[in-house]
Amino acid sequence: AQSVAQPEDQVNVAEGNPLTVKCTYSVSGNPYLFWYVQYPNRGLQFLLKYITGDNLVKGSYGFEAEFNKSQTSFHLKKPSALVSDSALYFCAVRDGGGSGAGSYQLTFGKGTKLSVIP
Amino acid sequence: KAGVTQTPRYLIKTRGQQVTLSCSPISGHRSVSWYQQTPGQGLQFLFEYFSETQRNKGNFPGRFSGRQFSNSRSEMNVSTLELGDSALYLCASSLGAKTGDSYNEQFFGPGTRLTVL
Repeated sequence: AQSVAQPEDQVNVAEGNPLTVKCTYSVSGNPYLFWYVQYPNRGLQFLLKYITGDNLVKGSYGFEAEFNKSQTSFHLKKPSALVSDSALYFCAVRDGGGSGAGSYQLTFGKGTKLSVIP
Repeated sequence: KAGVTQTPRYLIKTRGQQVTLSCSPISGHRSVSWYQQTPGQGLQFLFEYFSETQRNKGNFPGRFSGRQFSNSRSEMNVSTLELGDSALYLCASSLGAKTGDSYNEQFFGPGTRLTVL
């Protein structure tokens, strides 16, 4: 079974400061990792994904994420936070091998609410 | 390109009734997945359809069912509604493939907010 943990329910950061939203995962095969953002009363918007290759993945709106296989982590980062980044962030994993191959089932973390303070 | 559309956006039903939600994927996308989002349980996978066939199913009772049409549009149905079915139901589409293409990201619709009274 696959699982995702987002240890922080809420992260507060001052505008202009760097931000990090943490994510750790568990999967039996190769991990396909995703970050999504949700604004109030909206669906999820795709930010970035890690499939293979470079451990540092760059995505939309200046976000990036670092894949760390030994720590089974995929933390989301941004060098300088904006007030408009305030939203709910979800990390998700899909098993890219073994019995999960070909399946689009995503397992999500509980979400982290990011508040950027002006 | 138009995004994923879901209808209706809001729905109010009473216990015991049934409901059908609709999802139109992005043009050219053949995989449609459904998720339930609640404050307590978060986002949970319901099922995924590809080429009119259910390819994967989450851990939900048989009251939750779905189908996909030849144009890739999908519907999900919930029968005998319970209070706990109140949730935001999200549909997601992806290019999809028969095998080995599960690295493609899913694109989500705005959701249908279902309230069961």
